[in-house]
Amino acid sequence: GENVEQHPSTLSVQEGDSAVIKCTYSDSASNYFPWYKQELGKRPQLIIDIRSNVGEKKDQRIAVTLNKTAKHFSLHITETQPEDSAVYFCAASWGNDMRFGAGTRLTVKP
Amino acid sequence: DTGVSQDPRHKITKRGQNVTFRCDPISEHNRLYWYRQTLGQGPEFLTYFQNEAQLEKSRLLSDRFSAERPKGSFSTLEIQRTEQGDSAMYLCASSPWTPGSYNEQFFGPGTRLTVL
Repeated sequence: GENVEQHPSTLSVQEGDSAVIKCTYSDSASNYFPWYKQELGKRPQLIIDIRSNVGEKKDQRIAVTLNKTAKHFSLHITETQPEDSAVYFCAASWGNDMRFGAGTRLTVKP
Repeated sequence: DTGVSQDPRHKITKRGQNVTFRCDPISEHNRLYWYRQTLGQGPEFLTYFQNEAQLEKSRLLSDRFSAERPKGSFSTLEIQRTEQGDSAMYLCASSPWTPGSYNEQFFGPGTRLTVL
């Protein structure tokens, strides 16, 4: 089955800096890679996703890259703001189920 | 609110009691997923339905757990003879899956279970 590893587990940056979170997956059949943001006590919210036929996708300050050969994908947040502080989860799916990474707790210090 | 809803939001029970949670997916979504999330971890897959059919169950789902989606709309997750290790957040997600599509999932707010 699919196995998703996520690094780092915690990340602290200064406001305005960039943050990068990396994930690797094991199943080459995975074709969909979403990222979720979860604030304390709230539901995971889909913030961006990438499909296997695309190498990079950007939405304002958030971008995701995918390297299918190496089986890794990354989330990039630029110009971080305190409201970006949350736990971020990557996931990999091949159609029927989805496997999540363990999460990265991002703290943006003002 | 047209998103995924779950009820109750919080449940405190004593060990050995049975509990049942409900999930109402986004109305046009045919797939419904149940996950369990413990502190500091990502959601762990438990089971999923396509319409009323339960297509996959995780090995994490012991025989004390049962899920149903009788009319292909809302779903229930029952835990019998609860144990302290069952304490977790139980998340439901729904997805508008079609053959060849991608597995976008939208989560509900979760039910936090505490077993005393």
